[in-house]
Amino acid sequence: EVQLVESGGGLVQPGGSLRLACSASGFTFSTYEMNWVRQAPGKGLEWLSYISSSGNTIYYADSVKGRFTISRDNAKNSLILQMNSLRAEDTALYYCVRDLFGYTYGFDYWGQGALVTVSS
Amino acid sequence: QTVVTQEPSLTVSPGGTVTLTCAFSNGAVTSGYHPNWFQQKPGQAPRALFYSASSRHPWTPARFSASLLGGKAALTLSGVQPEDEADYFCLLYYGGNQRVFGGGTKLTVL
Repeated sequence: EVQLVESGGGLVQPGGSLRLACSASGFTFSTYEMNWVRQAPGKGLEWLSYISSSGNTIYYADSVKGRFTISRDNAKNSLILQMNSLRAEDTALYYCVRDLFGYTYGFDYWGQGALVTVSS
Repeated sequence: QTVVTQEPSLTVSPGGTVTLTCAFSNGAVTSGYHPNWFQQKPGQAPRALFYSASSRHPWTPARFSASLLGGKAALTLSGVQPEDEADYFCLLYYGGNQRVFGGGTKLTVL
């Protein structure tokens, strides 16, 4: 069974940093591309970042480029999102999302999310 | 600014049929934008329904279908069930390295 479990969320002050992790199981993590998606309270979904299976290709949404860094540790089946210079508008539930396998464009499995609250 | 537009809300009667659409500010939605559709119920993570415009996931109920219609991506629910009440989001790929979600449609079954 595919499982994605996010951790590392919490309360942080504006300007602070937070590191989210996503632990993957039930599939060969090293062969799948991955994404981070967030959802502000009561709002829609926002795609944030993509990383290829090897980690060599990375994309970001403009809203987080230069502040957030995606990475992965295939040996530990782990996806990471390092968030710096956090703002109140970064308050959201952050989801780890798996890409479809191969050259198919789409997402399939989602984690349950990690809540990040940016407030003083 | 790149914007993906969905109907904010729709209401359908049980057993009825409803079509949700997904429009792109850059022009007509084509298969090259690889439309995806997701369902989200309150308090739950989104669940994938379709990818590549009309390809369903193994768990997607047969009463759901997806297509390209009139320059938009479309999600049609036929024989709507009470449990289909949810938020529905589309996702488009563009620019070679970007993905963008629509604002979502809140579907009420009444």
